[in-house]
Amino acid sequence: ETGVTQSPTHLIKTRGQQVTLRCSSQSGHNTVSWYQQALGQGPQFIFQYYREEENGRGNFPPRFSGLQFPNYSSELNVNALELDDSALYLCASSLNGGNYEQYFGPGTRLTVT
Amino acid sequence: AQTVTQSQPEMSVQEAETVTLSCTYDTSENNYYLFWYKQPPSRQMILVIRQEAYKQQNATENRFSVNFQKAAKSFSLKISDSQLGDTAMYFCAFMKHEWGNEKLTFGTGTRLTIIP
Repeated sequence: ETGVTQSPTHLIKTRGQQVTLRCSSQSGHNTVSWYQQALGQGPQFIFQYYREEENGRGNFPPRFSGLQFPNYSSELNVNALELDDSALYLCASSLNGGNYEQYFGPGTRLTVT
Repeated sequence: AQTVTQSQPEMSVQEAETVTLSCTYDTSENNYYLFWYKQPPSRQMILVIRQEAYKQQNATENRFSVNFQKAAKSFSLKISDSQLGDTAMYFCAFMKHEWGNEKLTFGTGTRLTIIP
């Protein structure tokens, strides 16, 4: 069984730029959720994708967008980066209609300067 | 909206001792799940234990057990025979039992240090 993987591990961007983060879900899972974890805080829900469609969204502006592909992998895109976007971005996969357990990847540390 | 509160920012305990981490939550829902996740310095969030709100029996997973008090909206985690590898941030999380709304709401975490 393959776990959740994310790439890249670390990323440094400049304010105003755009970034794409990637996530491969655990085998057998069909749902991907993205979370933002600021330093010293708990993760905050960004959005969730199921069957290639957005299936719930947290309190994040439209410049945060995503995609899910037929193989259930996913991308998180952030446009017009701001300094406050610096955080650890976590991807979690789960099986919709399963036991509601979400399994997390190791995260991508994004630094915006 | 749901909120999760962890009132202990940091805790430390001697190896082999027992420690209890506290968590309270606020919700108007009747059907939901509660979770404890562990985040070691490697950053990867690891599921420790899960509790369904409709179950009265407290969940246990080896050395980890919970004390779920639904009326009090309390969900504490007990770690028995603590080990050095238990050193990590621990997050309590809530999920409403609703298809299409499977988002986790996390607390701010408790940093647990196991002292050799």
